[in-house]
Amino acid sequence: EVQLVESGGGVARPGGSLRLSCAASGFTFDDYGIGWVRQAPGKGLEWVSGINWNGGSTGYADSMKGRFSISRDNAKKSVYLQMNNLKTEDTAFYYCARRSSSSIPDWYFDLWGRGTLVTVSS
Amino acid sequence: SSDLTQPPSVSVSPGQTARITCSGHSLSNRYTYWYQQKAGQAPKLVIYKDSERPSGIPERFSGSSSGTTVTLTISGVQAEDEAEYYCQSADTSATYRVLFGGGTKLTVL
Repeated sequence: EVQLVESGGGVARPGGSLRLSCAASGFTFDDYGIGWVRQAPGKGLEWVSGINWNGGSTGYADSMKGRFSISRDNAKKSVYLQMNNLKTEDTAFYYCARRSSSSIPDWYFDLWGRGTLVTVSS
Repeated sequence: SSDLTQPPSVSVSPGQTARITCSGHSLSNRYTYWYQQKAGQAPKLVIYKDSERPSGIPERFSGSSSGTTVTLTISGVQAEDEAEYYCQSADTSATYRVLFGGGTKLTVL
């Protein structure tokens, strides 16, 4: 089955850290870029970060730069999001999503995981 | 706030046509993408490159673009179409800047 499965969510203290994982199956993983998108409870979608097919290029939303780090291990068909110095406003469902293969430079997503909940609270 | 503006809500009766708009300066020269998110589920791509439909998406879903406004049209709305709909584009200034609209709740009366 073609799917993405997130894990690693949970409760963290403000200033703490969490590492999220995104495991892929059912497709040729190293053909695709992967992104993270988050959604605070009851709110809209917010771009977090993305990584290209071989990990050679990454990008972040401005509010996450310097605190979040994305990486991938193609042998394990996995992408990771290391989140440091967490803030209460980072509380959200975090989705990993597959960048659609396309000849255009845009990032858009044709496959999404079910998400993992991160709660930052004292 | 978002660089892409959507109406918070749209309501239609079954069988009618729903139109959801998305406005933003970046839309005049970038493609727009639309996602459907049903309650408790992950988003799902329903339109890409302004008007293309992924395989498996019903023909009643269509997209159009005019200047800085794009429109998702759902013809012959069905109860199962009730969901939140998000537009998405890409910032022209950076490869990794993905922009989402604030979302529109489609209610089927």
